[in-house]
Amino acid sequence: AQSVTQLGSHVSVSEGALVLLRCNYSSSVPPYLFWYVQYPNQGLQLLLKYTTGATLVKGINGFEAEFKKSETSFHLTKPSAHMSDAAEYFCAVKGMGAAGNKLTFGGGTRVLVKP
Amino acid sequence: GAVVSQHPSWVICKSGTSVKIECRSLDFQATTMFWYRQFPKQSLMLMATSNEGSKATYEQGVEKDKFLINHASLTLSTLTVTSAHPEDSSFYICSASSGRGVNEAFFGQGTRLTVV
Repeated sequence: AQSVTQLGSHVSVSEGALVLLRCNYSSSVPPYLFWYVQYPNQGLQLLLKYTTGATLVKGINGFEAEFKKSETSFHLTKPSAHMSDAAEYFCAVKGMGAAGNKLTFGGGTRVLVKP
Repeated sequence: GAVVSQHPSWVICKSGTSVKIECRSLDFQATTMFWYRQFPKQSLMLMATSNEGSKATYEQGVEKDKFLINHASLTLSTLTVTSAHPEDSSFYICSASSGRGVNEAFFGQGTRLTVV
């Protein structure tokens, strides 16, 4: 079985400050890891993904995440928050075992950006 | 990038009626499509997985007779909420995967269903 835990359902940051969203996963097989962003009343947009290779992954809109196997983590960061970063962020894991193609999502973290 | 179109984006229906939601992959062939339900301020809950030409696989606790899923072609899957009730009101999101490589899934824009 696989699962995802996102620490903190809400994060408030000032514009220009560091954004750090935490994600820990459990998976019985080497995972594929994803971060998605969701704006109100919209679907999910892929920010970045880790499959194999380099553990530091760069995505769109200045976001990046680092896969740390020893810590079973895939935290998302952005050096400088922008007002447009206010949204809901979901970490997800996909395993290639019995779970097959299924994505398992974390509970989500809502980011509020203060001017 | 790959585009998944979901229609309608919102719908209001009366209790007891049925509502059909369409999910189309516009520029790729989707061998697998997924249907999710999202309650306000919550995460996505997978309802079912559908593979083109075969019956959908429903998650535990999801009523297959209430949420009918059809995946008749490689570019279209539909979710029909039958005999809708107010408790079915939710945000429904589909995603589609080509089944290749990492099998990355692309998401539709979601459908807000309100049953009155």
